[in-house]
Amino acid sequence: DIHLTQSPSFLSASVGDRVTITCRASQGISSYLAWYQQMPGKAPRLLIYAASTLQSGVPSRFSGSGSGTDFTLTISSLQPEDFATYYCQHLTSYPWTFGQGTKVEIK
Amino acid sequence: QVQLVQSGAEVKKPGASVKVSCKASGGTLSSYVFSWVRQVPGQGLEWMGGATPISGTGNYAQKFQGRVTITADELTYTTYMQLSSLRSEDTAVYYCARGTPLKSGTSFFYAMDVWGQGTTVTVSS
Repeated sequence: DIHLTQSPSFLSASVGDRVTITCRASQGISSYLAWYQQMPGKAPRLLIYAASTLQSGVPSRFSGSGSGTDFTLTISSLQPEDFATYYCQHLTSYPWTFGQGTKVEIK
Repeated sequence: QVQLVQSGAEVKKPGASVKVSCKASGGTLSSYVFSWVRQVPGQGLEWMGGATPISGTGNYAQKFQGRVTITADELTYTTYMQLSSLRSEDTAVYYCARGTPLKSGTSFFYAMDVWGQGTTVTVSS
């Protein structure tokens, strides 16, 4: 199975900050990576797919990059509604595993 | 706009089975991979497995192999997840999600773009 490691697991930031979350795969997955946002008590929401393609309706302050084993999710200017937990997921071979999550909290 | 509507909360005793449904409104099931993802309280997302109506067979995470069955019924636009031999550690919120081939450039990449609202399963004696 392909293992995904996110870092950091937790980060504290202020509104307006630039935030970067990384996701490392245990083996190469090309660009078969998605990012999700989850608010407390809610279902996850797709933000980015194919490592860098913004899902329709997602604000442009979100961006993704990377290929192979190393990926990043960047929020260019953190907004109050962005305080949430973020997960990466690979969608190559089964099982489609998730990273352990990164919780973004208000400083 | 497709929505996935899941069945209601369940309370089960250890050793029992649970079957959760997920109905797609406003669309069909074909061409998609319907996955089930669980979230134990306070923990992260865990992909359990997925199925396509075309193949009729599921692919499962090794952790759940032998205990979970995922099916997708094209006629009723419904996908099901059955988990057997329940234990307290299976207490969680279970989500269905649609795996869709989304276009990026000239290629297609799967991502889970539509999610159900979640079903809480509580296992307790």
